[in-house]
Formats: sequence, structure tokens, C-alpha cells
Amino acid sequence: QSVLTQPPSVSAAPGQKVTISCSGSSSNIGNNYVSWYQQLPGTAPKLLIYENNKRPSGIPDRFSGSKSGTSATLGITGLQTGDEADYYCGTWDSSLSAGGVFGGGTKLTVL
Amino acid sequence: EVQLVESGGGLVQPGRSLRLSCAASGFTFDDYAMHWVRQAPGKGLEWVSGISWNSGSIGYADSVKGRFTISRDNAKNSLYLQMNSLRAEDTALYYCAKPVGDYAVYDAFDIWGQGTMVTVSS
Repeated sequence: QSVLTQPPSVSAAPGQKVTISCSGSSSNIGNNYVSWYQQLPGTAPKLLIYENNKRPSGIPDRFSGSKSGTSATLGITGLQTGDEADYYCGTWDSSLSAGGVFGGGTKLTVL
Repeated sequence: EVQLVESGGGLVQPGRSLRLSCAASGFTFDDYAMHWVRQAPGKGLEWVSGISWNSGSIGYADSVKGRFTISRDNAKNSLYLQMNSLRAEDTALYYCAKPVGDYAVYDAFDIWGQGTMVTVSS
């Protein structure tokens, strides 16, 4: 059971837009920045979004992030078959069990 | 090129120990905190442990507290994870990861190694 809650799967057609939600609490998302990672099969995670909505250099603006209260959302527009991957949200938890926390991951299928 | 290369994984019996290493290159290692993140087969990501740039601040996930010890040697640009009393549920691919910001402990991870596999089984 992950601390952050993500839908197990989402799907959309090429060229369409998809959003992936990430729900937490006041001890994690509510008081810390959220990051998003893309993990292609057999590879290490890749940072897509940090500090809620910033993109590292090289990440296309098709990827966007937002945060409101204790939830965050990753948006992907102009879907491509190469976007098929697992997506994880992550943040830090300020509770007694302080440390990094991740969502369970969302499998994106581009139909 | 910024790079992290993990090593030290393998097959180990329950209750035994293993030491993982992570060799860093392409950036000023002692300016950055460093972390270990693991991923069990077919499962999601789990943060394991983190250490500040000067080893002054260290944290562990509850699942490994008291059994794992993180350390670093800035002179050797290396990060370590000493894993004792290993359990079957520690079976995972272990990644080392670098935060985005220098001196920031609680930050996103912009550089990941390729991982080293640890299998705990009799």
C-alpha cells in the first residue's frame, strides 16, 4: 500500500491528452514539492517534473505538472506511442516516518 | 557526463549481509545529498535511505531502519548501503539517485543509476 495514491492505469489515443492524479495528505503533498517520473520498460526512472511544475532541460512541454492542496496532477498532451510507460509521483513526508514517498505508479497505454 | 553506477548486488540467503556501492562521476559529488531507492520485481518505487552531503543528516524508511546503514566517502565519490539481516521482502533492484539541487536533501531525483539487483532467497 503506497502512501500516495495513483490510478493503476490510464489510456488514450495518439495525439490525445491524458492526466494522471496523485493523492496524498497534509504531511506529504500538502507541505512539500511533488515530482513526477517516467519509467520505460527495463529502464531506470526519468525525472519529468520537479517542484510541482518545473521541467528539467530536455523534457518537452507536452508534459506538465500541477498541485492543489494534497493532490497533484501530471498532464501529457499530444500523446505518442513512445509515451507508453509507468509514471510515478513522489514527494517527501514530514510525519514521524519522515522520508521519501512514491505513488504506486500508473501504467499509461497509448491505444 | 553525469553518471551513477551501482554494484554489489547478488543472491544472498535470508539473515545474511550485503554491501552495495554507487560510484558517481561527472558532478561535484560532495555538493549533493544522495539516496537509495529500490523497486521489487513488478512493483513500484520505494525510497530506502538518504544522506546529506556531509553525512550530518541521515534517514531511513521504516522497513529498513535498524538493519541498513547508508554511508558515503566523498574522497572516493562513492555512496554505500550496508544491508544486514536481509529478508525475502528486501529482494529488489536498488538504485542510487542524485537530487536536483546541491545541498538539498528533500528534493526530486534527476540522475539515477542503472540499478543493482539484490535477491534474498535460500
